Amino acid sequence: EPEVTQTPSHQVTQMGQEVILRCVPISNHLYFYWYRQILGQKVEFLVSFYNNEISEKSEIFDDQFSVERPDGSNFTLKIRSTKLEDSAMYFCASSAVPPGGTGELFFGEGSRLTVL
Amino acid sequence: AQKITQTQPGMFVQEKEAVTLDCTYDTSDPSYGLFWYKQPSSGEMIFLIYQGSYDQQNATEGRYSLNFQKARKSANLVISASQLGDSAMYFCAMRDTYSGAGSYQLTFGKGTKLSVIP
Repeated sequence: EPEVTQTPSHQVTQMGQEVILRCVPISNHLYFYWYRQILGQKVEFLVSFYNNEISEKSEIFDDQFSVERPDGSNFTLKIRSTKLEDSAMYFCASSAVPPGGTGELFFGEGSRLTVL
Repeated sequence: AQKITQTQPGMFVQEKEAVTLDCTYDTSDPSYGLFWYKQPSSGEMIFLIYQGSYDQQNATEGRYSLNFQKARKSANLVISASQLGDSAMYFCAMRDTYSGAGSYQLTFGKGTKLSVIP
């Protein structure tokens, strides 16, 4: 069964460093997302990406964050100058259907980021 | 305003018994979708079941069923014949207002931690 894959599974970084989290969405999907879950809290939407551009972003997704689809398969989340409060599990997700459809949003297994 | 409410932070259930996890939602959009995800201790998000607002019948997927009461705006997850492997966090989520091209934003509840007792 096709799946969304994320790397790394866990990254530890020093405050102020840049981090890139990588995702390979399901191959025929066109809509890509990043969500975040701070430990013990609910999952929060960060950004959606379609047709090589951001289609929507939350207030969490400030200038510190950026997303990119550098080639036909990878979808990356870059966090510049990480802060302690960026420590969280970051989930990549993808879907095949456009908004309004009833299709499933497929999540990856998550990348746990720890900022020291 | 909170869109998804899960009032049970934790639940216990005896193995082989059925359990209901509560979820209420708030939206003014006539078209929406409701999802349940399972998150084991390993952290991944596993899709369980989906209910569309226009679906006439309650969704079922194996041991999972969704008790959809539209007038009450509730979408409770029922797990029948609980197994030890069902112990996990369970999140209810909703997709509602279409807010732009390429947006499929889910709003999650705070989750319910289910513990299955042998």
